[in-house]
Amino acid sequence: AQSVTQLGSHVSVSEGALVLLRCNYSSSVPPYLFWYVQYPNQGLQLLLKYTTGATLVKGINGFEAEFKKSETSFHLTKPSAHMSDAAEYFCAVSDRRDDKIIFGKGTRLHILP
Amino acid sequence: EAGVTQFPSHSVIEKGQTVTLRCDPISGHDNLYWYRRVMGKEIKFLLHFVKESKQDESGMPNNRFLAERTGGTYSTLKVQPAELEDSGVYFCASSQDAIVGYTEAFFGQGTRLTVV
Repeated sequence: AQSVTQLGSHVSVSEGALVLLRCNYSSSVPPYLFWYVQYPNQGLQLLLKYTTGATLVKGINGFEAEFKKSETSFHLTKPSAHMSDAAEYFCAVSDRRDDKIIFGKGTRLHILP
Repeated sequence: EAGVTQFPSHSVIEKGQTVTLRCDPISGHDNLYWYRRVMGKEIKFLLHFVKESKQDESGMPNNRFLAERTGGTYSTLKVQPAELEDSGVYFCASSQDAIVGYTEAFFGQGTRLTVV
């Protein structure tokens, strides 16, 4: 069975500092991997996804994530945090044969001025 | 183009009452999904429609939940009778293709359901 573990339910970084949100997954088959973001009072929005090919994936708003098969990780990074990045971030996995998205518990990112 | 729309945005009902949530997918999207996030937990899959047919309803928690998608357009999710543990945020999503890696699944804002 697939699962996703996000390390840290809350992460605080200073404005301008590196953002690193950790995600590890478990999957018996090569997965599709996703990061979604939920800004206050909005729906879930896809930040980026990995399906195949290049393991470093670039998304919207300057975020990127790297698929590391050996570590079963898909950590999300952004070089310099902005106040507007404050939101809840969800790592997710999907079986290539399936129609479901399996989400992690989410990490709320706080940006300190 | 309009995104996925959910109604209502918030609902507060008493235990034992009935509530119906509605989702309007993006026009032309045959695939419609319902997910739920109970407080402090993961967002979990409930079911998947392809047009008007239930493709996968393995995530539906019990028979108090009934989902329909008549005509393959909008969908409703009825909870009857509601229990306290049904409180949470109910998300709807739609996509063109069923295998979500091939194409993006677009999510609505969610309906926050509170059962008191």
